[in-house]
Amino acid sequence: EAGVTQFPSHSVIEKGQTVTLRCDPISGHDNLYWYRRVMGKEIKFLLHFVKESKQDESGMPNNRFLAERTGGTYSTLKVQPAELEDSGVYFCASSQGARGNTIYFGEGSWLTVV
Amino acid sequence: GDSVTQMEGPVTLSEEAFLTINCTYTATGYPSLFWYVQYPGEGLQLLLKATKADDKGSNKGFEATYRKETTSFHLEKGSVQVSDSAVYFCALSNTGGFKTIFGAGTRLFVKA
Repeated sequence: EAGVTQFPSHSVIEKGQTVTLRCDPISGHDNLYWYRRVMGKEIKFLLHFVKESKQDESGMPNNRFLAERTGGTYSTLKVQPAELEDSGVYFCASSQGARGNTIYFGEGSWLTVV
Repeated sequence: GDSVTQMEGPVTLSEEAFLTINCTYTATGYPSLFWYVQYPGEGLQLLLKATKADDKGSNKGFEATYRKETTSFHLEKGSVQVSDSAVYFCALSNTGGFKTIFGAGTRLFVKA
């Protein structure tokens, strides 16, 4: 069974440009999460989807970040326009419906804004 | 709010040495506690977890005990291997697993 897959694995963009990160969760997982780790600090929660609905987006840093999950399958996280402080690793994760189920993480998308 | 504090790294050990990575937490209620590991070039993997006080999580020779009285969840391994070199993250979930709060991570280097 395929795990959580993320694309691209690495991206280098200039300040002011747009980047879109994609996440394909494990098939059948209703819950999808985005996290990020900036500058070697702690991994921080961004948001949580249940199917196509945003359940909790309290961690989204500002309105330059837009997450979508069309049809409750894959998700995209767009950063527009990107700033230097957005550099870091963006992790996607997924889990099955019930609370307390194991959360499976992808390998992360490494974003560098120059 | 809820938070996790873990010892800063990097931690450098020789093979077969004893490992302890300290982790303390602040949380209301009764959180579940986790250790995740990220090996070079790979994603985050759940290493072990404990869901209530005095529970001991264990996996791959690693252990951690949920200590509510000291709000701690220290990671230990009796004899580390070079293949254990990775970044280790302590984490908690206070909402049944829907939102996980991580520590800053501790990088471990094990020398042959």
